[in-house]
Amino acid sequence: GENVEQHPSTLSVQEGDSAVIKCTYSDSASNYFPWYKQELGKRPQLIIDIRSNVGEKKDQRIAVTLNKTAKHFSLHITETQPEDSAVYFCAASKGYGNKLVFGAGTILRVKS
Amino acid sequence: DTGVSQDPRHKITKRGQNVTFRCDPISEHNRLYWYRQTLGQGPEFLTYFQNEAQLEKSRLLSDRFSAERPKGSFSTLEIQRTEQGDSAMYLCASTLGGPSNSPLHFGNGTRLTVT
Repeated sequence: GENVEQHPSTLSVQEGDSAVIKCTYSDSASNYFPWYKQELGKRPQLIIDIRSNVGEKKDQRIAVTLNKTAKHFSLHITETQPEDSAVYFCAASKGYGNKLVFGAGTILRVKS
Repeated sequence: DTGVSQDPRHKITKRGQNVTFRCDPISEHNRLYWYRQTLGQGPEFLTYFQNEAQLEKSRLLSDRFSAERPKGSFSTLEIQRTEQGDSAMYLCASTLGGPSNSPLHFGNGTRLTVT
């Protein structure tokens, strides 16, 4: 089955700097890659997603890139703010709305 | 859109007791998923329903776990003879499957503590 690896497990950045989180997946049939943000005690919330027919997607300060050949995808957050501090999870699935396999998460700390 | 709601938010039980959790998905969503999340880990898939049919169960789901979605709306997850290893956050998520697929929307979860 699908296996998703995520790194780093923790990331500390200064406010205003950029943060990059990387994930790799094993199943070449996976074609949908969302990123979820989870604050302490709260539900995972979708922040951005990408399908395999595109290589990059941006939404304001957040971008995701996908390299299907290498089977890896990355989350980029620019101009980080303290409210970006949270746990970020990548995931992969075979199709939009299908079962997601999650990475282990990255704790992002933005220091002001 | 009232979101996915789960009840209870917290449950403390003694080892060996049975517990049942409820999930109410977003009303028009026909797919419902159960995930388990332990500290420091990502959510792990347990099972999912398309309407009332349970279409897939993870090997993580021992025979002490059972899930139902009797009318294709709300779902229940029951754990019998709980063990300390069952302590975790149990997350429910829903989506609209089919041609109008939507992303997974998660509930706030039920945190289970087995003492």
